[in-house]
Amino acid sequence: QSALTQPASVSGSPGQAITISCTGSSSDVGSYNYVSWYQQHPGKAPKLMIYEVSNRPSGVSNRFSGSKSGNTASLTISGLQAEDEADYYCSSYTSSNSYVFGTGTKVTVL
Amino acid sequence: QVSLLQSGAEVKKPGASVKVSCEAFGYTFTVSYIHWVRQAPGQGLEWMGWINPNFGGTNYGQKFQGRVTMTTDTSMNTAYMELSSLRSDDTAVYYCARAGGRSWFDPWGQGTLVTVSS
Repeated sequence: QSALTQPASVSGSPGQAITISCTGSSSDVGSYNYVSWYQQHPGKAPKLMIYEVSNRPSGVSNRFSGSKSGNTASLTISGLQAEDEADYYCSSYTSSNSYVFGTGTKVTVL
Repeated sequence: QVSLLQSGAEVKKPGASVKVSCEAFGYTFTVSYIHWVRQAPGQGLEWMGWINPNFGGTNYGQKFQGRVTMTTDTSMNTAYMELSSLRSDDTAVYYCARAGGRSWFDPWGQGTLVTVSS
């Protein structure tokens, strides 16, 4: 199972909105609404930010939103803040009854 | 508050085995699968497999089949991941995570660094 494809880096100024894409295939992202997103600060464990494409767990800022179209899922961070600088990973359930992560995106706040 | 606490860092020689533990707090241990995910230095996340603490059923990623064994001790609310025939490219931080619904991982343990070196 190949990793889902994400841009290596995305940057934006404070207050701006950025979008991170996550491209898979009809065997994973395209077939299931089981896409989740994780934020990881250096040296820390990943933290769930979005589940089942567009649902936000309790406690996660509403500046984070998710969507999906075909084989590509997206995470949008609006009103970018310094604390949002981190690595972000998508994940999807697959038709092989397994899970696959994205390649990861480093978000930089300029 | 739901949390997972993992065992400490390990240093192993090539060919050896390592067993990492993951103790669960704040919920009924048997109601949620436990997943294991690893992250090599400077690299991305890699799913290894899951275990159902209720019945002990497992599902291992193809890459790890034959080398990984996931178990639980429900009396201690603890999950274990054992990886054998270690190689240098198994050097990574190993995480456990509670399964949410069908598709997400939350929360995660703090991670266990396993270093494989001669």
